[in-house]
Amino acid sequence: AQSVTQLDSHVSVSEGTPVLLRCNYSSSYSPSLFWYVQHPNKGLQLLLKYTSAATLVKGINGFEAEFKKSETSFHLTKPSAHMSDAAEYFCVVSDIWRALTFGSGTRLQVQP
Amino acid sequence: EAGVTQFPSHSVIEKGQTVTLRCDPISGHDNLYWYRRVMGKEIKFLLHFVKESKQDESGMPNNRFLAERTGGTYSTLKVQPAELEDSGVYFCASSQDSGRLYEQYFGPGTRLTVT
Repeated sequence: AQSVTQLDSHVSVSEGTPVLLRCNYSSSYSPSLFWYVQHPNKGLQLLLKYTSAATLVKGINGFEAEFKKSETSFHLTKPSAHMSDAAEYFCVVSDIWRALTFGSGTRLQVQP
Repeated sequence: EAGVTQFPSHSVIEKGQTVTLRCDPISGHDNLYWYRRVMGKEIKFLLHFVKESKQDESGMPNNRFLAERTGGTYSTLKVQPAELEDSGVYFCASSQDSGRLYEQYFGPGTRLTVT
């Protein structure tokens, strides 16, 4: 069985400051891990994915995440938040088959 | 290239009525998935088609839900009869192949409200 825990339901940062969205996972297999973002009234968009290659994964819009097997973590970071980053972010794990398991989501608020 | 499309974007129905949601995957994607997010909960997997065959329907909540993918192109998800707890956002996704290496592309979702 696999599961994902997003440690913060809401995160608020000021524009220009770093972003950290935390995610811990549990999986019986070597997982693939993803971060998806959903802007208001939009579909889910893939930010980045880890599939057992480099542990530091770079995604779109300046986001990156580091896979740490020893800590079973896959935290999402960005050096400098932009107003357009305000959205809901989902950490997702995929097992050897295909169904995705989603975390509960973290709503990111960016203050001017 | 067109993305995954879903219709309708919103649907409001009364308890006991029937609703049919439609998903058009990206052209050439054999794999099609349905997920839903009930208010305040996580996005949950419902089922997975490979072409017209149901590969995994372990997430379907009960027999009031019927999914079809005739011809292996678009898919429909019918809820009959709808209950209040069926309210939520229903997402469709498609991928070129199955397996954890392949990105699933999501549609914008259908927001279903049962009153």
